[in-house]
Amino acid sequence: GAGVSQSPSNKVTEKGKDVELRCDPISGHTALYWYRQSLGQGLEFLIYFQGNSAPDKSGLPSDRFSAERTGGSVSTLTIQRTQQEDSAVYLCASSWPGQGNTEAFFGQGTRLTVV
Amino acid sequence: AQSVTQPDIHITVSEGASLELRCNYSYGATPYLFWYVQSPGQGLQLLLKYFSGDTLVQGIKGFEAEFKRSQSSFNLRKPSVHWSDAAEYFCAFLSQGAQKLVFGQGTRLTINP
Repeated sequence: GAGVSQSPSNKVTEKGKDVELRCDPISGHTALYWYRQSLGQGLEFLIYFQGNSAPDKSGLPSDRFSAERTGGSVSTLTIQRTQQEDSAVYLCASSWPGQGNTEAFFGQGTRLTVV
Repeated sequence: AQSVTQPDIHITVSEGASLELRCNYSYGATPYLFWYVQSPGQGLQLLLKYFSGDTLVQGIKGFEAEFKRSQSSFNLRKPSVHWSDAAEYFCAFLSQGAQKLVFGQGTRLTINP
């Protein structure tokens, strides 16, 4: 596609429910990243994919968070048993092969609100 | 620890005035450095990047940044700001061999008419 696409753009969920956030990277980008941006905060790294594997999951805040990537393309970030502190904007980025993430292109994010 | 610091949380300048946003990094070697801009309701857009070579790099929208190894800094500048420059600006770095961008806390820029 023309850019990184994330869906939904907004999600309101009740505490304790599970949510799935989707990221569709730029076609041909093998690297994919998830970041979290809480209100008034910087960007917090969550996880990095190269192809379908995730060599760096160090940023996932708890075992309630998981992510997968299939076909070297679309990625899904799943948050189980959501808590109010999970409320944030979740950003996805992708980059060209052979350059690591030296130039990452970002989607517009999913704003998650846990009530 | 590897980190990047943006000392100014919020800056206000008048339209037409010059701008400098500060960024300092903590890393033992020369990192790859980036500035991103996030307009309200938008994703992040890359303004410019530094990998090596000329320490003054030019970016889009009339922005430039200068890498100063002695000060561990990569400050962003623009000679004359426009109202459309109002946004959040993020400095980021990538340590060589690493796979993730580390971001600063961001600086929110407000433009007075």
